[in-house]
Amino acid sequence: DGGITQSPKYLFRKEGQNVTLSCEQNLNHDAMYWYRQDPGQGLRLIYYSQIVNDFQKGDIAEGYSVSREKKESFPLTVTSAQKNPTAFYLCASSMGNNSPLHFGNGTRLTVT
Amino acid sequence: GQSLEQPSEVTAVEGAIVQINCTYQTSGFYGLSWYQQHDGGAPTFLSYNALDGLEETGRFSSFLSRSDSYGYLLLQELQMKDSASYFCAVRVDQTGANNLFFGTGTRLTVIP
Repeated sequence: DGGITQSPKYLFRKEGQNVTLSCEQNLNHDAMYWYRQDPGQGLRLIYYSQIVNDFQKGDIAEGYSVSREKKESFPLTVTSAQKNPTAFYLCASSMGNNSPLHFGNGTRLTVT
Repeated sequence: GQSLEQPSEVTAVEGAIVQINCTYQTSGFYGLSWYQQHDGGAPTFLSYNALDGLEETGRFSSFLSRSDSYGYLLLQELQMKDSASYFCAVRVDQTGANNLFFGTGTRLTVIP
């Protein structure tokens, strides 16, 4: 079945450590995205990528980094510079500019 | 800045009809989308309006009035499984991928 896989589902880290969240898709979609969701809040865009080896900052990119070395993969690194990293992180992909977003099941990151 | 306003909570009876409104103030507008999210799950695409008018997909319909910067999602014949959060989202950038600016969501509770 085609879809987006995020792993792990739950992730715990100590403050000051970098952590990388995985996102893999087999939908052959060109565009991929990372959103952050806080309790009772909407989704906020962190980074997006339209093609391999290219990505753009979203609304809240500070403290995060990404790479897009393969079409299928768009990992997100939460760095120690991110002041409030505890959140639910959602990866998504889409075929084109006006195509719906397909979301993964998310990774819930807790930093203590 | 960008803002999307939608009610935080709505309660409705099983079998009834409910309307969730969304008003937006954004720097650009290239379409209004609606997504459903069950607790702890992935958002899933429901509908998209680029032009004024009503779009119908089964029990769900979505309406857009660009002159009023307003849209709504209409859910008919409510079922218990419709209990979820519903997000409106605006595409604000024509040049990028399908970057969406999301509202904070409306939590719908369907009661027997």
